[in-house]
Amino acid sequence: GAVVSQHPSWVICKSGTSVKIECRSLDFQATTMFWYRQFPKQSLMLMATSNEGSKATYEQGVEKDKFLINHASLTLSTLTVTSAHPEDSSFYICSARRQTWDEQYFGPGTRLTVT
Amino acid sequence: SQQGEEDPQALSIQEGENATMNCSYKTSINNLQWYRQNSGRGLVHLILIRSNEREKHSGRLRVTLDTSKKSSSLLITASRAADTASYFCATDHVSGSRLTFGEGTQLTVNP
Repeated sequence: GAVVSQHPSWVICKSGTSVKIECRSLDFQATTMFWYRQFPKQSLMLMATSNEGSKATYEQGVEKDKFLINHASLTLSTLTVTSAHPEDSSFYICSARRQTWDEQYFGPGTRLTVT
Repeated sequence: SQQGEEDPQALSIQEGENATMNCSYKTSINNLQWYRQNSGRGLVHLILIRSNEREKHSGRLRVTLDTSKKSSSLLITASRAADTASYFCATDHVSGSRLTFGEGTQLTVNP
């Protein structure tokens, strides 16, 4: 149980276009989902926390207008990278949690390359 | 901001040897978790240790927690080449809050 999927697993896009990444909890309802970014050979950096039905809470330095997060249901959250630039190329990982006292379950990640 | 610190940053050992990685943090925690990440892949949850626990075992893994020193260690015994990966500690500082990840240790186990 507690499986989280991400789609796509990798994506290449041109500079200036937008990319949507989906995060799904497959066998449980997630009240909270988290989005992380990881640059090569670095650790995970939390970008934002989203609770179902409410606006996401962004970490300091993360542009909310550039990284649009939607958590419309208890099993799906989406991250849209708008007007992507090469510096947005990174590994994006989501995680999901059932309840506040529960551990986070991580998705397999999405590799974004902006050319 | 990331506040976990791990050492060493990189560790290279021979198969069969033990590997020890350390993690330090700055503020009180509810629990501390260890994850493994193979290159270019997602995270695999290894073990969670709560603030009122001092040691925990899972197979070849042994985790210790010293809340007075704000540090934890992960020991992998009888390492295998398949253990080659990056290992991260993550701290949960307030129940229900987000995880803060350490910088990670890159472990290479040579066959």
